[in-house]
Amino acid sequence: GESVGLHLPTLSVQEGDNSIINCAYSNSASDYFIWYKQESGKGPQFIIDIRSNMDKRQGQRVTVLLNKTVKHLSLQIAATQPGDSAVYFCAENISNFGNEKLTFGTGTRLTIIP
Amino acid sequence: DSGVTQTPKHLITATGQRVTLRCSPRSGDLSVYWYQQSLDQGLQFLIQYYNGEERAKGNILERFSAQQFPDLHSELNLSSLELGDSALYFCASSAGPNNYYEQYFGPGTRLTVT
Repeated sequence: GESVGLHLPTLSVQEGDNSIINCAYSNSASDYFIWYKQESGKGPQFIIDIRSNMDKRQGQRVTVLLNKTVKHLSLQIAATQPGDSAVYFCAENISNFGNEKLTFGTGTRLTIIP
Repeated sequence: DSGVTQTPKHLITATGQRVTLRCSPRSGDLSVYWYQQSLDQGLQFLIQYYNGEERAKGNILERFSAQQFPDLHSELNLSSLELGDSALYFCASSAGPNNYYEQYFGPGTRLTVT
């Protein structure tokens, strides 16, 4: 069945260090992946996306890596700042006869230590 | 501020009751999505409307229904409420009809069923 999971529920990183958040997915038909950030009391916020025909995509301080062989997705945040403290979700998009659905992971809480 | 507004911010009601949650999408966005976020289920896609028509359906219960009006705002109706319906309900909007368009999330409505 479809499932998106995260290896680590919590992650603490020293300010200025790099962080890596991982995500495993099980559906090889997923064609598109998104990382979201959710701060306390707010809705999810889009960070970066990647299509299944790519293995790497870079944004500002963030990089997403996709390894389709092992069905693994990661989000790298460089030079972390206090404002990066949040819960991070991965999501996979599955199209089934024109009915698209985003399936979200349970989330990883990232805490930046000053 | 994502530009998506949701009302009310908080809602407390009793089991068996019916409530309506309202969402106004970002200006110009034609798609509206509804999500449920609970502690045990994480973020779950419920339903999507595009330009007034139902576009995709997720894990939406039969007790729940939604619609999108000509002015593009949307309402999510939850009836015969149960304790397990207590959750955060998010609305998101995007410009296009599918998940490849960036979704902007509102601040959510926190529903408590007692």
